[in-house]
Amino acid sequence: GESVGLHLPTLSVQEGDNSIINCAYSNSASDYFIWYKQESGKGPQFIIDIRSNMDKRQGQRVTVLLNKTVKHLSLQIAATQPGDSAVYFCAEGGLTGGGNKLTFGTGTQLKVEL
Amino acid sequence: DAGVIQSPRHEVTEMGQEVTLRCKPISGHDYLFWYRQTMMRGLELLIYFNNNVPIDDSGMPEDRFSAKMPNASFSTLKIQPSEPRDSAVYFCASSFNNYGYTFGSGTRLTVV
Repeated sequence: GESVGLHLPTLSVQEGDNSIINCAYSNSASDYFIWYKQESGKGPQFIIDIRSNMDKRQGQRVTVLLNKTVKHLSLQIAATQPGDSAVYFCAEGGLTGGGNKLTFGTGTQLKVEL
Repeated sequence: DAGVIQSPRHEVTEMGQEVTLRCKPISGHDYLFWYRQTMMRGLELLIYFNNNVPIDDSGMPEDRFSAKMPNASFSTLKIQPSEPRDSAVYFCASSFNNYGYTFGSGTRLTVV
């Protein structure tokens, strides 16, 4: 029979616009969060991380926002470029209590239209 | 640094054969992780090591899977015997003191 894969949500944006990718995490004890970018045929690439004692962190063209109350994480990409097209994953983990492993979300496909 | 290095990049093997995947973590990193990625299940953690010692192998699917880390610069993931449902991309990642998780390029395994 036909296999059914994960249905990745897709975000389509115009080149130059800002992108916002959202993620709901599951474990209220998680205190470390990472956003990864994965291009076709490559491994996940670290973009930016944030610890639970922060609610916002900025990098180059990217900003991560953390809302612990509703267990929500978002990645904002400014002036989206064609090279930003990829699948974006959020990951949650624990820096305390020995929980060093990351749990990944299912990912969001970002498509940048010219 | 060359990053996390995995070999081979691609592996095609027949059902029942033994498969060994290899990983060289970033020098100085004290954590090493093995992940599996499939369309059905996404990215799953199989096992991780801290200072060469296995810490959590609860993600290893079954006894056919085993992983070793004989020293700080090398780890293997072995599947014996392999089955078609093991077909996936296997990633190795390393980190230092819980930070800087860096993934390798992965090994695409196809079991026919």
